[in-house]
Amino acid sequence: AQSVTQLDSHVSVSEGTPVLLRCNYSSSYSPSLFWYVQHPNKGLQLLLKYTSAATLVKGINGFEAEFKKSETSFHLTKPSAHMSDAAEYFCVVSDRGGSYIPTFGRGTSLIVHP
Amino acid sequence: GAGVSQTPSNKVTEKGKYVELRCDPISGHTALYWYRQSLGQGPEFLIYFQGTGAADDSGLPNDRFFAVRPEGSVSTLKIQRTERGDSAVYLCASSLSGGETQYFGPGTRLLVL
Repeated sequence: AQSVTQLDSHVSVSEGTPVLLRCNYSSSYSPSLFWYVQHPNKGLQLLLKYTSAATLVKGINGFEAEFKKSETSFHLTKPSAHMSDAAEYFCVVSDRGGSYIPTFGRGTSLIVHP
Repeated sequence: GAGVSQTPSNKVTEKGKYVELRCDPISGHTALYWYRQSLGQGPEFLIYFQGTGAADDSGLPNDRFFAVRPEGSVSTLKIQRTERGDSAVYLCASSLSGGETQYFGPGTRLLVL
């Protein structure tokens, strides 16, 4: 069984300040973990993914995430927010030893103030 | 190359009608997924195809929902006797094979009046 919890429904930051979007997961197998971004009226776009190589994963647009098995976390960070980062972010877990059916979190809305 | 495409982009129908939603995956992708996303929620899994066969349809909410992928490429999601609660964005994604990175289409926004 697998599940994912995004700890914040909304995160508000000022432009140029760091971003932290939190995600915790549970998985019966070695998980694959993903972060997707969804801009208004746009399709879901992959930001980054973890599949058991390096625990610190770098993605597009300056985002990165760190897989911490002991904490069952996969938090998404960015050193400096840009206005264009305002969007909905989804954390996703998929059991690689299981059925390949991913489970999405409920999403975190990132608001960036000028 | 072309990404995943979905048609129509918007569909308005009346309660009780039948609708078909189409997904064109990325060429060569053997895995295809359908999801439903309600307002303020993450995508909810409906069905997963590996090739022509439905490898997992455990997410279909009831027998009014059905999907096919007869030639292992294009897929159609079919909803019979639509209800207002079926209103949502229906997303399609494809991947090279099961468990690989999924690439999403823009979705079909279904509104049942």
